[in-house]
This record gives sequence, structure tokens and C-alpha cells, in this order.
Amino acid sequence: NAGVTQTPKFQVLKTGQSMTLQCAQDMNHEYMSWYRQDPGMGLRLIHYSVGAGITDQGEVPNGYNVSRSTTEDFPLRLLSAAPSQTSVYFCASSQDRGQLNSPLHFGNGTRLTVT
Amino acid sequence: QKEVEQDPGPLSVPEGAIVSLNCTYSNSAFQYFMWYRQYSRKGPELLMYTYSSGNKEDGRFTAQVDKSSKYISLFIRDSQPSDSATYLCAMSYYSGNTGKLIFGQGTTLQVKP
Repeated sequence: NAGVTQTPKFQVLKTGQSMTLQCAQDMNHEYMSWYRQDPGMGLRLIHYSVGAGITDQGEVPNGYNVSRSTTEDFPLRLLSAAPSQTSVYFCASSQDRGQLNSPLHFGNGTRLTVT
Repeated sequence: QKEVEQDPGPLSVPEGAIVSLNCTYSNSAFQYFMWYRQYSRKGPELLMYTYSSGNKEDGRFTAQVDKSSKYISLFIRDSQPSDSATYLCAMSYYSGNTGKLIFGQGTTLQVKP
């Protein structure tokens, strides 16, 4: 039981490049989400999904796209990378669609640098 | 004003000390209160979870919630070097048909042997 797996662990992009951050969970969780973590800003929600085929925007969605074709996978796409997107990205899942009665399970993050 | 405020530290204490980590919040709608622990280069993991005002104890850790003052605390007794990590408070409430979860900025703790 691997939990939440994120790939890659590290990535360097040039401004304007696109890429996809992968996230997979093997706990059959309905709820999945993407956060970015920046110094002094805490964890900020980018996008989330309460089930396959359903996605919604979080606090900071601009410049990112998501899709949820299966329960297990929730990729995050950067459309045209900008230096402001340099951050550590965390994928998280939860058994509870409403997030209130069960913990978030986090992956170990993708460290992205945009030059 | 941020909905959740947490002193970022860093906080450095000697081994065996009692540590107090705190968060304040402005929105009285928050119903659930959590503490996550994050080791360096790892994802956060849930440490404590509570719903009501009062204290909840788990080993060396005690979570305290004061809804009237909009203030939560995490106490660590007999702190160990293995407690060195960033501690994030988190709070949640319902918004529409799904929950909303807000994290504090995190407090970095170092426990020196």
C-alpha cells in the first residue's frame, strides 16, 4: 500500500514550457487535491476533485489545469510555466469528500523551479 | 487579514522542554481543528484532530481548542530531537456541498540534544 505517489520529485523548467505533475493514490479515496507550498504562505489549494469526472478550482487555480478520469489518478498540468510557479507541489487525498471527518494523506511533493 | 495566523518561528528548544505552538483564527464557522507535522522534504501527516473546545491528549502531545477566543494550541511534553519538524495547524468548515480546509503558515521547531 504505497499511499499517495507523486512524480517527478524534482523538475526544472524554462519559462513558457509546459509539463504535467503526476499523482496517484491506491487507497480508493474519492477526494483528491493539489496544493502549493511557499515560504510564509503555508499550503494553498490549487484544484480539487470529489470524484472521477468532477473537478473544481481552489484558492490559486490560474495557470494550472486538472482532470480526473479515474479514481486513482489526478494529474496537474502547467500550461505555460512562469517563475511565479516555482514552488513545492503536494498532492493529497482523503476518504471523506467533505474533508471533515478523515485526514488528508499527502504525497512527498514535487519541487519545481522555473527559470 | 488571513483567516488563520500562525507564528512561523523558527522555534529552538533544548531536549526535554515543553513546547507550545499556537494558531489564531478569525472565522467562527470553523468546526474541526487539526495539527499536521511535516518533516524536511516530506509531505505533511496528521498528528492531532479535534472537534470540540477543550483538550485532547495523545502521548506527549496535547491539542487545546478555545472557540470563544478563536485560539488553538499544540503542547509537546518532554520534547525529543525527533520532534524537529514544521507543525501546521489546519481548520475546516462546510462551504456549499463540500468542506473547506485552511492551513496556517507552519511553525518550524528544532529540538536540540
